[in-house]
Amino acid sequence: GQQVMQIPQYQHVQEGEDFTTYCNSSTTLSNIQWYKQRPGGHPVFLIQLVKSGEVKKQKRLTFQFGEAKKNSSLHITATQTTDVGTYFCAGPRSNTGKLIFGQGTTLQVKP
Amino acid sequence: DGGITQSPKYLFRKEGQNVTLSCEQNLNHDAMYWYRQDPGQGLRLIYYSHIVNDFQKGDIAEGYSVSREKKESFPLTVTSAQKNPTAFYLCASSPGTATYEQYFGPGTRLTVT
Repeated sequence: GQQVMQIPQYQHVQEGEDFTTYCNSSTTLSNIQWYKQRPGGHPVFLIQLVKSGEVKKQKRLTFQFGEAKKNSSLHITATQTTDVGTYFCAGPRSNTGKLIFGQGTTLQVKP
Repeated sequence: DGGITQSPKYLFRKEGQNVTLSCEQNLNHDAMYWYRQDPGQGLRLIYYSHIVNDFQKGDIAEGYSVSREKKESFPLTVTSAQKNPTAFYLCASSPGTATYEQYFGPGTRLTVT
């Protein structure tokens, strides 16, 4: 069946280092969404990408949607302790109206 | 103040008891979802509803039941048939289907002993 995979599962970085998480779908996606879940919290929507090759920025966060619309990435420049949490990507499951979530990448930032 | 509320935040039950988790939204969203989150497994869809009085099974519906009698409310019952009910349960809503972002409630952490 349709799958959305994220790598890495965990990442520990020193504050100030960059961080990237990758999301790969087994099928072409009409859009890709990214969410952030702080420790003990709930997922919060960050952004949605729709167009092939689309790049969007939110301050230190850069989101990219692949040309084939089967992969995406989230890059954080100069991480801060406030970036700690789990980042999920999600895409629509074909013809169902449901989202399928990746397993998430948990980011730890050492001050 | 618009949003999604879930109650209670923590819930403890004995094995063999049914328990109902509350989810209410005042965002006027048509679609509502229930997810289960276990450590290292991301979000797994239990049930979803795109319109009042209609709901569909997700990937792990066995041992769970829902109702959608009102647009604002989508309660989830964890029955005694659910083999491993201890988990973090998240409710979400969205204006429409998968092309729209989902708004999550704060979650209910259920422990069954």
